[in-house]
Amino acid sequence: QVQLVQSGAEVKKPGASVKVSCKASGYTFTSYYMHWVRQAPGQGLEWMGIINPSGGSTSYAQKFQGRVTMTRDTSTSTVYMELSSLRSEDTAVYYCARLRLGYCSSTSCSGPFDYWGQGTLVTVSS
Amino acid sequence: DIQMTQSPSSLSASVGDRVTITCQASQDISNYLNWYQQKPGKAPKLLIYDASNLETGVPSRFSGSGSGTDFTFTISSLQPEDIATYYCQQYDNLPTFGQGTRLEIK
Repeated sequence: QVQLVQSGAEVKKPGASVKVSCKASGYTFTSYYMHWVRQAPGQGLEWMGIINPSGGSTSYAQKFQGRVTMTRDTSTSTVYMELSSLRSEDTAVYYCARLRLGYCSSTSCSGPFDYWGQGTLVTVSS
Repeated sequence: DIQMTQSPSSLSASVGDRVTITCQASQDISNYLNWYQQKPGKAPKLLIYDASNLETGVPSRFSGSGSGTDFTFTISSLQPEDIATYYCQQYDNLPTFGQGTRLEIK
C-alpha cells in the first residue's frame, strides 16, 4: 500500500534551517510528482512547491523563493524539503503530498493530492 | 495567483441534515477543483476530484458539482464521523486552497 512517512518534529531557533524528509513506499517513486503543503496552527493549507522525483526539477511558490529547496534521493525513495532563515511565522505542520498520475501538462503539474504524509511539526522559537 | 473564496467558514448542522459548502474562484478554472476533508491532527484526505468525481472508497453521501468559477460540495445526510474541516483546492495553475469550512454537530 502507498505510504508517505515523514521525519519527526523539529524545534528551531529563528534564522536556522530545517530539513524535513518524506519517505515513499508502495509505488514507483519516480513516476509521481511530490508537492509540499504547510499549515500554520489553526490556519488553512498553503502550497509551497513541487519536485519531480525522476529528474529532480522543482518549482516553488513565489513566497518561498530563495528560502526553500526541495531535493530527492532515488536510492531511498525519499524527498526532502529544506527551509532556511526560519522565523516564527514558519511554525507549522509541513506535509508532503503525492500528485495523482496523469495531471502534468506542458505548463503545470498540479491536480488532486491522493496520498499525504502524516505531517511534521516545525516550531520556530527563541 | 487564483484566489478561492470558500463559505461558510463554519457550519453547525444536525445528524441527517443536508450540508452544502461553496467555493468561488477568482477566475475561470474549468473543473480543476478538488475537495478535501481534514480531521483534527490528521492530514487532509481527498474526497472529490475534478469537481465532481468521487474518490474511491469515499461514501456516496459526499458529492461535488460546478464548473468555471462556482463550485458546491454537498453531504446529503450528515453523519457524526463527518465532523471535520473541509477545503477546496484549485489546480488550474499553481495550486491554492480555500480558507476551509469547519463543520460541527448541532
